[in-house]
Amino acid sequence: DGGITQSPKYLFRKEGQNVTLSCEQNLNHDAMYWYRQDPGQGLRLIYYSQIVNDFQKGDIAEGYSVSREKKESFPLTVTSAQKNPTAFYLCASSSLAGLSYEQYFGPGTRLTVT
Amino acid sequence: GENVEQHPSTLSVQEGDSAVIKCTYSDSASNYFPWYKQELGKRPQLIIDIRSNVGEKKDQRIAVTLNKTAKHFSLHITETQPEDSAVYFCAASNGGADGLTFGKGTHLIIQP
Repeated sequence: DGGITQSPKYLFRKEGQNVTLSCEQNLNHDAMYWYRQDPGQGLRLIYYSQIVNDFQKGDIAEGYSVSREKKESFPLTVTSAQKNPTAFYLCASSSLAGLSYEQYFGPGTRLTVT
Repeated sequence: GENVEQHPSTLSVQEGDSAVIKCTYSDSASNYFPWYKQELGKRPQLIIDIRSNVGEKKDQRIAVTLNKTAKHFSLHITETQPEDSAVYFCAASNGGADGLTFGKGTHLIIQP
């Protein structure tokens, strides 16, 4: 299953609270990504990072923030500004060496906000 | 930005028959087209991918075709088996470190 871990598997929060989702990889991959998955909607890109201390917004970045202080780690914070935060969150990574474009996914975190 | 449409949303086939899932994309700059399989509650797993300099790629019972002119690509699964039952997603990107744009998925059901 590769070396991408996400924790926790399930997360419950009250509305109005910020919450941080963890993503760690030991594959020595340069690029890391966050996607959100809702039923019947496929995966949508939130943020991505090609290099430490740099990241770009994806299609649905509003209400989320990220950091990339280490190559191995790309945590995602779901802020209280995110209107519909309940979803399945998937982290992925990709090596940029040798023109490899394959993205490897972590096991996901299912966030429920009530 | 890129937009990927995927059809059908549900596909039911008899075991042993073939299944075909089709996707269209909007951005002519896209050059990388992966297909992922996702079982219930699990992470997506890459099953095959194709780049824009190739028209077809095959891996055992799975094949992908790409028509750059028409901006569509398809997944073909032959001799379907019960373990092929899952949700399949197509995606597109312009390669490099950019993120993927996914279709909405096809729920493939293999009838015994």
